[in-house]
Amino acid sequence: GAGVSQSPSNKVTEKGKDVELRCDPISGHTALYWYRQSLGQGLEFLIYFQGNSAPDKSGLPSDRFSAERTGGSVSTLTIQRTQQEDSAVYLCASSLARQGTLAGANVLTFGAGSRLTVL
Amino acid sequence: EDQVTQSPEALRLQEGESSSLNCSYTVSGLRGLFWYRQDPGKGPEFLFTLYSAGEEKEKERLKATLTKKESFLHITAPKPEDSATYLCAAPIQGAQKLVFGQGTRLTINP
Repeated sequence: GAGVSQSPSNKVTEKGKDVELRCDPISGHTALYWYRQSLGQGLEFLIYFQGNSAPDKSGLPSDRFSAERTGGSVSTLTIQRTQQEDSAVYLCASSLARQGTLAGANVLTFGAGSRLTVL
Repeated sequence: EDQVTQSPEALRLQEGESSSLNCSYTVSGLRGLFWYRQDPGKGPEFLFTLYSAGEEKEKERLKATLTKKESFLHITAPKPEDSATYLCAAPIQGAQKLVFGQGTRLTINP
């Protein structure tokens, strides 16, 4: 597609429920990232996928959070047994190549985000 | 610890009033300093990447500069449509992720 697509754009759930957030990256982008943005805060890294490599899960805040990327394309972020502190905007981004390489250091293209509210 | 710190948190200017936003970083082996713009309800949008001290890049009323310890986003004669949150970020050495600052919320009053 033309951009990074995320769904749902808004999700309200009750504490203790599981939620799934979906990200459809730009076609051909091999790298995919999930970030979290709490109200008035900067972006907090959650997880990174690059091609067929093992994902970098170092930013996941607890074992209630997991993510997968199927077929090197669509990704789903799952939050189990949601808590009120999980309320935030979850942003997905994709890029062409490995982040941090100086040569052709690429740019992240972000989706509009999924706003999660846990009551 | 790798950190990116932005100041001020918020800035209000009158239309046409020039100013600068600051981004200081303590990332070892810097491999690029990124600036993004974020409008309410949207994801961040890429503006610039700077790689080495002394480098400058411009886009319309914005100019980004980089020193060994900080980056500045200069805005010249801003317009109300420049109102947004401006984020800076740097990749952590040895890791495939960007560390973001908290952002500066810029408001330009007509």
